[in-house]
Parts: sequence; C-alpha cells; structure tokens
Amino acid sequence: GIQVEQSPPDLILQEGANSTLRCNFSDSVNNLQWFHQNPWGQLINLFYIPSGTKQNGRLSATTVATERYSLLYISSSQTTDSGVYFCAVLGYGGSQGNLIFGKGTKLSVKP
Amino acid sequence: EPEVTQTPSHQVTQMGQEVILRCVPISNHLYFYWYRQILGQKVEFLVSFYNNEISEKSEIFDDQFSVERPDGSNFTLKIRSTKLEDSAMYFCASSDHGGFYEQYFGPGTRLTVT
Repeated sequence: GIQVEQSPPDLILQEGANSTLRCNFSDSVNNLQWFHQNPWGQLINLFYIPSGTKQNGRLSATTVATERYSLLYISSSQTTDSGVYFCAVLGYGGSQGNLIFGKGTKLSVKP
Repeated sequence: EPEVTQTPSHQVTQMGQEVILRCVPISNHLYFYWYRQILGQKVEFLVSFYNNEISEKSEIFDDQFSVERPDGSNFTLKIRSTKLEDSAMYFCASSDHGGFYEQYFGPGTRLTVT
C-alpha cells in the first residue's frame, strides 16, 4: 500500500520563527489532507490539498503531486501552534475513504 | 460552520464491558468513517460506511466492533467486549462525496479501558 513519510519527526521553534513541514508519499494520490492535533488530542482540519497551493492566515500548504510531496508552511509561529501535524493521503485506486496517515511532526513553540 | 460532533469526550470502562461511541456527522454528508489512534501512535482507519452499509473495514475492525446509523443523524461505533488494547482516541469523520473529497473530523472520544 501507499507509504507516507513526514519530516522532521520533531521540531522546536522560538515564537515568531517560520517552519516548513514535509510529507512524502510513495504513489499518486486522490486526496491529501493536513491536520493539527492539539495538546488535548483533537484533530483540526487544516487543508484539503491534493494538488496546488492554499493559504489560511499564517499557514499555507503546497502539494506537488507529480513529485509526490506536500509542504506545510507555518509563519510567525505562536505557542498555540504547538502539537502534532499529520499528513494523510488516499491513493489512486483506493477505497471510499481509507486515509493513510503519516507518523506526524511534533512541533513545540517556545515563548 | 458545520462540524462533526462526538460524545462523550472521554469514557472510562472496565474490561469486558460494551461501549457505544456516538457521532453526529455534518448534516448533508453521506460517507462516514471511524478512525483510531492509540496513544503516541499514528491515526489508523477502522471502517467506512455509506448507504447504510459498511464500504470497507480494516483488519482492526473485527467481530467485536460494529457500526450503525440508527436514526438518520447519529453514527455509532459499538465495541462489544472491551479489551485493554482498545484504549485509544476514536475519531469520527464525514464527507459529502466520498473519500476523494475532504473528510471532516470530529474532536474525538478518548476511551480508557481499565
């Protein structure tokens, strides 16, 4: 099945810094989503981005489907950005919705 | 903005007991999912549900699990006889056009089996 790898596994930033999180996937995808898991365990939808670029405030994401990767940019990081960021994909020929998640990037933003 | 809701937020149960986790998907969505995340691990797919039947299920979704849409608004996950290893965060998700489209996740139910 499709493999999803995220990097880096851990990231520590000072408040105000910028960061780039990467998601590589091993095959073509129909669906790619980014999530933020907050310290309470809730999953927050960030982006649905099987291709192209989207922006939402300080966050933006780019997926280059032909090269099988996606990037999540966080600018001017805040302590509330701390948590785990997951990338999840649905491969071509996949089912009605079996999203495959990566292991996540754990982000800690220090004041 | 419409959202998926889940109840309870946290449930503690004893091994061998039955639990029912409840979800209210977004109202015009037709595809429903359950995922599970054991503490410290990645999120794993359990089951998808469309047109009142299971579309797909993972190896995790064995005979101890069942899903139901009892009344046209709720979507439930039942674990018949809980085990210690069922302790996890359970997420419900819904989508309007199937897996190719965005899945909207609920906040999760933390299940603790003692």
